Amino acid sequence: AQTVTQSQPEMSVQEAETVTLSCTYDTSENNYYLFWYKQPPSRQMILVIRQEAYKQQNATENRFSVNFQKAAKSFSLKISDSQLGDTAMYFCAFMRIYNNNDMRFGAGTRLTVKP
Amino acid sequence: DSGVTQTPKHLITATGQRVTLRCSPRSGDLSVYWYQQSLDQGLQFLIQYYNGEERAKGNILERFSAQQFPDLHSELNLSSLELGDSALYFCASSGGAGSTDTQYFGPGTRLTVL
Repeated sequence: AQTVTQSQPEMSVQEAETVTLSCTYDTSENNYYLFWYKQPPSRQMILVIRQEAYKQQNATENRFSVNFQKAAKSFSLKISDSQLGDTAMYFCAFMRIYNNNDMRFGAGTRLTVKP
Repeated sequence: DSGVTQTPKHLITATGQRVTLRCSPRSGDLSVYWYQQSLDQGLQFLIQYYNGEERAKGNILERFSAQQFPDLHSELNLSSLELGDSALYFCASSGGAGSTDTQYFGPGTRLTVL
């Protein structure tokens, strides 16, 4: 079974600084997808970024980028130039490509951006 | 706005009762997923439907059931409710059954069982 671990329950960062959220996962699959979702106080789940395991290049979306280390089964999220609106819970998620496509989520990291 | 809609936003009911949560997927999406987010269990997958057919089951209790209708909207039925069923229930949709499409989430239905 796939498991996703986020070892940092809470983190904080000063506005305009950079922060990295950690995620590790366990799987025997070779092809899969990884995601970071953001859940602000509104509780809406918002996709931040997605990484295909077969791609060596790390995904980036504006101020958000990932460091995907497939051999280490590590998938960290870097937020550059942090903004107050980045304050939220961040969930790392794993999705198989074949058969069941349900996502397995980590427990989340609560990020607070301080002014 | 993800394009996925869920109703109602909030639901308060008593133990032993039955409720129905409704989800409309994004236009063109054939797959619907239901997730439960509770304080002690985190986000857990319940069930997936693709074009009207059940495709995958997760940690869904026997008291819970779901279906997807011909117009692709889905309903999650929760019966014999217990206090522990209080949670945020999300619906997500994506393009296909075994698809690699990203899942987009609705705003959720907050269920409170008193």
